[in-house]
Amino acid sequence: DQQVKQNSPSLSVQEGRISILNCDYTNSMFDYFLWYKKYPAEGPTFLISISSIKDKNEDGRFTVFLNKSAKHLSLHIVPSQPGDSAVYFCAASGTTDSWGKLQFGAGTQVVVTP
Amino acid sequence: EAQVTQNPRYLITVTGKKLTVTCSQNMNHEYMSWYRQDPGLGLRQIYYSMNVEVTDKGDVPEGYKVSRKEKRNFPLILESPSPNQTSLYFCASSSMGEGYGYTFGSGTRLTVV
Repeated sequence: DQQVKQNSPSLSVQEGRISILNCDYTNSMFDYFLWYKKYPAEGPTFLISISSIKDKNEDGRFTVFLNKSAKHLSLHIVPSQPGDSAVYFCAASGTTDSWGKLQFGAGTQVVVTP
Repeated sequence: EAQVTQNPRYLITVTGKKLTVTCSQNMNHEYMSWYRQDPGLGLRQIYYSMNVEVTDKGDVPEGYKVSRKEKRNFPLILESPSPNQTSLYFCASSSMGEGYGYTFGSGTRLTVV
């Protein structure tokens, strides 16, 4: 049973606008969350992370928001650029003993149009 | 250059013929892991290792073996491959802590016929 869910398989956004990707999780033991970006024929690339003690983390154009009570996180990309066209994966794990057991969602394909 | 190197990139094999996919990292990371990617299912963890001689099952360990005899290497072994193990495989490594995430290799495309 998938504990990390990305319910939107695809997202199309215009260049310069905001991209919002959503992710839900079911395991209340998760307390570390990450977003990855993947281009075809390459391995996933780590983008940004957030721990459960925070509700927001920002890195340049990327901001991750965490709502623990709703078991929901989102990734905002502002402004969106053509190079952002990729598959984005949400991932989650516990800490200490279960840190390495990182579970991924199914991914969201983002297409940024001119 | 800091990287995770896995070999081979592409492999076609026959059912039942044992194979090993190698993985090596040069970042002195404690954690290493194997994932498989299948359409619509995202990345599913096969096994992971917290350090030398310490491994644990992920979500889909059946049909796979791993070993961690040295910190830098984490090979994936398929003792008797079957067609349902046809997939794209990724090795990854990481240190632990906030701000860290797995660094992935470029992938191995395995086809079992």
